Amino acid sequence: DAGVIQSPRHEVTEMGQEVTLRCKLISGHNSLFWYRQTMMRGLELLIYFNNNVPIDDSGMPEDRFSAKMPNASFSTLKIQPSEPRDSAVYFCASSLQGNVLTFGAGSRLTVL
Amino acid sequence: QQQVKQSPQSLIVQKGGISIINCAYENTAFDYFPWYQQFPGKGPALLIAIRPDVSEKKEGRFTISFNKSAKQFSLHIMDSQPGDSATYFCAASNSGANNLFFGTGTRLTVIP
Repeated sequence: DAGVIQSPRHEVTEMGQEVTLRCKLISGHNSLFWYRQTMMRGLELLIYFNNNVPIDDSGMPEDRFSAKMPNASFSTLKIQPSEPRDSAVYFCASSLQGNVLTFGAGSRLTVL
Repeated sequence: QQQVKQSPQSLIVQKGGISIINCAYENTAFDYFPWYQQFPGKGPALLIAIRPDVSEKKEGRFTISFNKSAKQFSLHIMDSQPGDSATYFCAASNSGANNLFFGTGTRLTVIP
């Protein structure tokens, strides 16, 4: 298995632009997590899904952020419009029940 | 509110020395305590984990010590090596839920 696959690995965009980050889960995993990592705040849970259903989105910063799971193996995190304070590394992780998370390599976002 | 508090923020250890990272939690419902290791440019990866029915778990040079009454747990890296240089995150969760609460991370540097 190729593990959790995230794209793009790096994104540089200008303030106000729409950003879409993508994640492919490990085959058979049924939980999907989006985390944001910054130096100041460490790893923050944004949202997680179980069996394609959003369970907890209390970590989503504001309405500019949205996440979807159109099918059991794929998820997107969208920021619209993006702001410089959104600059961070965004991680997707998946798990099969339990609490053992497998993380992707992350998407580094820079908003100018 | 930080569910898991981690210290120190950074740690420098000589090769062959012992690295110790500490974490504390408040939620007594937590019953799963993993440690994740993250190398630069990579996502965090599960290193070792413990449940509160034991006070210690050892895997090679890595040991978790768990103190249920004090609500504290720590990671000990024996005979630290330069290849151990990474950021370490403690985490905690309630096995009835799916999400992990991470500490803020400790950047470990092992100098030759």
